Amino acid sequence: GAVVSQHPSRVICKSGTSVKIECRSLDFQATTMFWYRQFPKQSLMLMATSNEGSKATYEQGVEKDKFLINHASLTLSTLTVTSAHPEDSSFYICSASHSYNEQFFGPGTRLTVL
Amino acid sequence: AQSVTQLDSHVSVSEGTPVLLRCNYSSSYSPSLFWYVQHPNKGLQLLLKYTSAATLVKGINGFEAEFKKSETSFHLTKPSAHMSDAAEYFCVVSPTNFGNEKLTFGTGTRLTIIP
Repeated sequence: GAVVSQHPSRVICKSGTSVKIECRSLDFQATTMFWYRQFPKQSLMLMATSNEGSKATYEQGVEKDKFLINHASLTLSTLTVTSAHPEDSSFYICSASHSYNEQFFGPGTRLTVL
Repeated sequence: AQSVTQLDSHVSVSEGTPVLLRCNYSSSYSPSLFWYVQHPNKGLQLLLKYTSAATLVKGINGFEAEFKKSETSFHLTKPSAHMSDAAEYFCVVSPTNFGNEKLTFGTGTRLTIIP
């Protein structure tokens, strides 16, 4: 199957700093990428949907100014958590798809904000 | 609108015995249904998917699921549990079989295997 990578796999930062997470589709062109957030022992919650070259569509309750998403190419989307706070600590997972294909998930990024 | 209910938050079985993880769905469309597995601190791996073809779907690692429209169910089964099956399992629904549609996740079932 198709491969999606995320970088970094784990990041620890101080409160107030910004963190960028990359999501790459390694062997296919992803017209759509999704960003999910998963709290411990909970399910995945969709944060936003991004299409290449367009602004991301955020789910209700997700602050677009805090979680900046850029989908600049068909193989790369980035999520930047701006002015991170401890409550932003979570497991962030991206997925990527071509329109007629299933979504392929990345391995996730563990963010810890001190 | 669509939703997924995983009926058990935690299932424990002995190694070598059958596994049953239950999932009910609700959808306004003819949905696609998926089962994903997540091992600790890992991403999601697709076990199997139903996209309006055969109602009995066979997946990886010996898992299978049966789509029952009359019962709005998509239960996951495996004849004989293995220690490596211990993980979190998510039932997921999509309104179509196109990858750019929103997925709705169930709350997950944690499977524990007793040696």
